[in-house]
Order: sequence, then C-alpha cells, then structure tokens
Amino acid sequence: DADVTQTPRNRITKTGKRIMLECSQTKGHDRMYWYRQDPGLGLRLIYYSFDVKDINKGEISDGYSVSRQAQAKFSLSLESAIPNQTALYFCATSDHRPGRISGELFFGEGSRLTVL
Amino acid sequence: QKEVEQDPGPLSVPEGAIVSLNCTYSNSAFQYFMWYRQYSRKGPELLMYTYSSGNKEDGRFTAQVDKSSKYISLFIRDSQPSDSATYLCAMSWGNAGKSTFGDGTTLTVKP
Repeated sequence: DADVTQTPRNRITKTGKRIMLECSQTKGHDRMYWYRQDPGLGLRLIYYSFDVKDINKGEISDGYSVSRQAQAKFSLSLESAIPNQTALYFCATSDHRPGRISGELFFGEGSRLTVL
Repeated sequence: QKEVEQDPGPLSVPEGAIVSLNCTYSNSAFQYFMWYRQYSRKGPELLMYTYSSGNKEDGRFTAQVDKSSKYISLFIRDSQPSDSATYLCAMSWGNAGKSTFGDGTTLTVKP
C-alpha cells in the first residue's frame, strides 16, 4: 500500500461545484503539503501544515481551503471550482526529526482534476 | 522573476549519452538542493540531495552545487531508457520544510 494516499485519483466536475481532495499518510510525518502541477509550471505550493493546529498559505492559496483533520489526514477543498483550477494535485509529507533529510518531500500519486 | 529557473527541455538523447540538467536560483538563503524524478502518472521521488556547495555522486548520477554562481546541475552518465522521466530541481532553506521547485525538464532516452 502507498504511504501517501490521495483520493480521488481522477475527477471531472463542472464550474461552480464544490470539490474535496483527500490525503492520508501512514508515514507518521508531522508535516503535510498540497501542491499543484501544471504543464511547464512545475510544482506550486497551495497550503501546508506543520501540525494539526498549524495551517499556512502557500504561493497560490486563493480559491482553495484546507483542513487538517488529524496528523495523518489533510484535505484540500475547492469551494467553487473554475476551469483554470484544472490541474494535477499532489499531497506530500515531510519528516523533520533529527537525522532526516531536511526538505525531503514524499508525494502521493496525484489527483487529476478537470473542471469543465 | 522566479526564484528557481530550470532549463526547460524537452531533452531527447540516445542511450549511453551523458545528460546534463541545470537550474539557477536567486535566493542566496537556499541551503538544501534536491533533484526529484517523476515518472509519467506518478508523484515525484527524491533522487539526489546536496547540502550547501559541492558534488555528490550516486552511481550514474552526480549532483553539483555552485552557491557562488547560484547554479546547480545533475549529470547522468551512461543514460538508460529507464531514466526517461521529468526531472525537477528543488531548493529549501533551514528547517522551513517548504521547497521551491523548478518547472521540470522532461528527458527521453532512446534505445
């Protein structure tokens, strides 16, 4: 089983609909992230959370919200989806205990979202 | 201007070629330099990691960091078709945990 699991893997929706992408991890990491990947634009950070009570905006948080339901669960919501939110979304985790590689991210397999 | 600029590609080489992938950056606070490899329909995975300046070698892969020039490279020797993937450079500083990524270079190694 994958250590970082994203659901759904693929979703097609219509403009204006509310969408939730879910992420769960079994790695025991404290930090979780949501990234968006567009062709030719690399990975851009949407939101990140260093623990259950800590939520931070990334570089492109407008139009998105998140919820850290537990250490192992971090969900991303699009309250009213629009076509330019069509992208591949990745959840990631990291471990900042001593001895670990600082900044190493462990990614899920991605959720492909299409907004018509 | 982006903090991290990556040579865009795509890059197509014959099997056995030496491949050079490059990124430049503007933020002198970056201390941790990483290369991720992303296969089609998969999430990125860490390939190489370097702290501060210098070289690091792992099998056919060599990562170089030149902080004075704000330039990092990944070299692949004796490239194989299985190396065909998108390569993303990434950088972070301190214990912030956030990484800034380049746009990625898609490499195809032809048999």
